[in-house]
Amino acid sequence: DSGVTQTPKHLITATGQRVTLRCSPRSGDLSVYWYQQSLDQGLQFLIQYYNGEERAKGNILERFSAQQFPDLHSELNLSSLELGDSALYFCASGRGTTDTQYFGPGTRLTVL
Amino acid sequence: AQKITQTQPGMFVQEKEAVTLDCTYDTSDPSYGLFWYKQPSSGEMIFLIYQGSYDQQNATEGRYSLNFQKARKSANLVISASQLGDSAMYFCAMRELSGSARQLTFGSGTQLTVLP
Repeated sequence: DSGVTQTPKHLITATGQRVTLRCSPRSGDLSVYWYQQSLDQGLQFLIQYYNGEERAKGNILERFSAQQFPDLHSELNLSSLELGDSALYFCASGRGTTDTQYFGPGTRLTVL
Repeated sequence: AQKITQTQPGMFVQEKEAVTLDCTYDTSDPSYGLFWYKQPSSGEMIFLIYQGSYDQQNATEGRYSLNFQKARKSANLVISASQLGDSAMYFCAMRELSGSARQLTFGSGTQLTVLP
């Protein structure tokens, strides 16, 4: 158990819908990272937050947004969903000099 | 831009044997970190081992060791005494340490199968 929690574990929805994925980092970790894992794109970095502020953006679509709250949990919002958004979405958290990232169990999103 | 290459899509190893999973990287940042993660069929990403670019010695964690050759830009994972539970996808990843962004760039992974 990495100490990072993600909910829900599975999500099935339809095209055009909007969903919210939730992540709680390990106790004491200020950084939260979101990654998308799909068969065709592999593991891709989406966005990073540090202590409530956006720190870096990767290949995140405009339809996607995220935020980190004062209690450090984070939410990833995906809207106007398309079939191609079906993927495993990971949240990771880290701290310290090496900032090793520990991953949550992931949310498997299926868009029908 | 940073890049990670894993050239072995699949590897087989006999139980109790050692196996090396290859990883090469490319970066212009003199300060970086290299990571290996394991992803079993259940899907979670498990951190295995870390090597910093300025570390003088190769990292080791139990049965895992990282063969770090800086001049060749390679960071191969060595698993000793393979076990059936080691069957999984293995990802090499890198993070550049200059600047405030700390995201990981991943390779395409190597599927390891341990044979009884």
